[in-house]
Amino acid sequence: EAGVAQSPRYKIIEKRQSVAFWCNPISGHATLYWYQQILGQGPKLLIQFQNNGVVDDSQLPKDRFSAERLKGVDSTLKIQPAKLEDSAVYLCASSLLTWESDTQYFGPGTRLTVL
Amino acid sequence: GQNIDQPTEMTATEGAIVQINCTYQTSGFNGLFWYQQHAGEAPTFLSYNVLDGLEEKGRFSSFLSRSKGYSYLLLKELQMKDSASYLCAVPHNAGNNRKLIWGLGTSLAVNP
Repeated sequence: EAGVAQSPRYKIIEKRQSVAFWCNPISGHATLYWYQQILGQGPKLLIQFQNNGVVDDSQLPKDRFSAERLKGVDSTLKIQPAKLEDSAVYLCASSLLTWESDTQYFGPGTRLTVL
Repeated sequence: GQNIDQPTEMTATEGAIVQINCTYQTSGFNGLFWYQQHAGEAPTFLSYNVLDGLEEKGRFSSFLSRSKGYSYLLLKELQMKDSASYLCAVPHNAGNNRKLIWGLGTSLAVNP
């Protein structure tokens, strides 16, 4: 079974530039998550999709971050414009989200450096 | 509110046993996850406990006490490759939404 795919793996940009990340979840997983992880910390949930609908974006800085999940499969996360403090690893995860099993499976992440 | 505490760092010797603790406060318990994260990599699922007791899975075991709000991850016969961060997480239900509340992780260094 293929895992969660993400691209790019690494990205270096200058502040005020824009960047986009792509995620393809495990086939059949209805729920998709975008996390931000700063070095030495646990993942911070940015946005959670159930199919193509947003169920939680309470910690998404909406003035600069946006995300979409068209057709309930792939998702993109965009930052526009980027700030220095956005330097982090951006993780995508997916899960079946049944009541019995909501184990999240993570992609390899995108390491973003904002200069 | 929800809160998860785990030690920041631990050090152990190859071949030894190490126990990584996690305490949590949450409204409505729905199980507890342990994930392993090697430096520069994504978290990978280790275990999910929803009932009290010890669950063994090879060299790794996870224990849960719901009455004490406490869990631990037990790593036996430590190997160098076990050097990683170990993250404790609990599901939180808010209406129809269910998300994980993550601890900051315990960075384990295994020395020869």
